[in-house]
Amino acid sequence: KAGVTQTPRYLIKTRGQQVTLSCSPISGHRSVSWYQQTPGQGLQFLFEYFSETQRNKGNFPGRFSGRQFSNSRSEMNVSTLELGDSALYLCASSLAPGGATNEKLFFGSGTQLSVL
Amino acid sequence: KNEVEQSPQNLTAQEGEFITINCSYSVGISALHWLQQHPGGGIVSLFMLSSGKKKHGRLIATINIQEKHSSLHITASHPRDSAVYICATLGGQFYFGTGTSLTVIP
Repeated sequence: KAGVTQTPRYLIKTRGQQVTLSCSPISGHRSVSWYQQTPGQGLQFLFEYFSETQRNKGNFPGRFSGRQFSNSRSEMNVSTLELGDSALYLCASSLAPGGATNEKLFFGSGTQLSVL
Repeated sequence: KNEVEQSPQNLTAQEGEFITINCSYSVGISALHWLQQHPGGGIVSLFMLSSGKKKHGRLIATINIQEKHSSLHITASHPRDSAVYICATLGGQFYFGTGTSLTVIP
């Protein structure tokens, strides 16, 4: 069974640009959540989607957005990139929303975003 | 104040030692996860707890809901256990501890 796939693995952008990251969950998983990891702040929750609906959102500015498609694949978008957006972006999938039903999370390897 | 506090931040142990990592939280939760992250970024969910105790091989995780505290124990530690261990609370919002960096020396 294939794991959670994130693309691209590495990305370099410049300030002001926008970026779209992709996450394909494990087959059958309908919940996808996104996280930002930086050396200074550690792991922080961005948002969670289930059946194409955003269920929870972390404390990030509106420049960070996401969506989920009918096949459960998810994308996150960051507009008007800032230097501080440089981070490892991780997604995780589960059968059902992690917070509601205590489902185990399965993480992708992440996308390392560098903003110059 | 962080919603989730972990201790210690760094831990070095000799192979074979018993290791304990602690996690205290201040928010209401439906579950607490223990995560393991190896160099390179990959994160593995080790345990998901809502009460009591769980065991998997040499790893044991406990949670005390009343005291809002969880512990991860590693018995007979091995160099391959070297990783960052992170506790995370799930309950609507998701909060993460800052992680414990464990190094097990042969």
